[in-house]
Amino acid sequence: SQQGEEDPQALSIQEGENATMNCSYKTSINNLQWYRQNSGRGLVHLILIRSNEREKHSGRLRVTLDTSKKSSSLLITASRAADTASYFCATAPYGGSQGNLIFGKGTKLSVKP
Amino acid sequence: DADVTQTPRNRITKTGKRIMLECSQTKGHDRMYWYRQDPGLGLRLIYYSFDVKDINKGEISDGYSVSRQAQAKFSLSLESAIPNQTALYFCATSALDSNQPQHFGDGTRLSIL
Repeated sequence: SQQGEEDPQALSIQEGENATMNCSYKTSINNLQWYRQNSGRGLVHLILIRSNEREKHSGRLRVTLDTSKKSSSLLITASRAADTASYFCATAPYGGSQGNLIFGKGTKLSVKP
Repeated sequence: DADVTQTPRNRITKTGKRIMLECSQTKGHDRMYWYRQDPGLGLRLIYYSFDVKDINKGEISDGYSVSRQAQAKFSLSLESAIPNQTALYFCATSALDSNQPQHFGDGTRLSIL
């Protein structure tokens, strides 16, 4: 069963704008991860945030985690056409099989030049 | 991730045929996973293995079997393929630490007629 739900399902912006994607989940987690998938390719890990962390940065990426609301957001600043892809959140459930992830359905981001 | 190689990349076959998808990795990871991706449904876990002697069912294991031939190799079989197994299949690996990301191959696009 799907744990994470991304919102919105699709997002279209202009190059240079910021893109924000949200993820909600249902159960307690050890960590939450964000992945990118370019069309026809495998998923690429972007960032991992542990349950005791609230914010994490990596280059133009900023991830926040609110465990009280069971939600996370991914912000991509100054977007580029190359950021066009699907973005998935994945949760590692607390008490679950170590290392197993439950993926959401993804947000499809389109960045127009 | 070039360190995780899936073969074949594309396969078209008929209902009732036996199919094997192969995955090999050079990352030295103990954990390996097989996922299925359907449009609008995200990734769902089929099977996972934490070492050569450890095989576990995932969310949607019915109709599938796996074999972990070595630390580096994990294959997925469809004993008698059916059309609703048409999907994109991904292999992934991860290190033992549960706070480590998964690394994905580029997938096998499987069509069953």
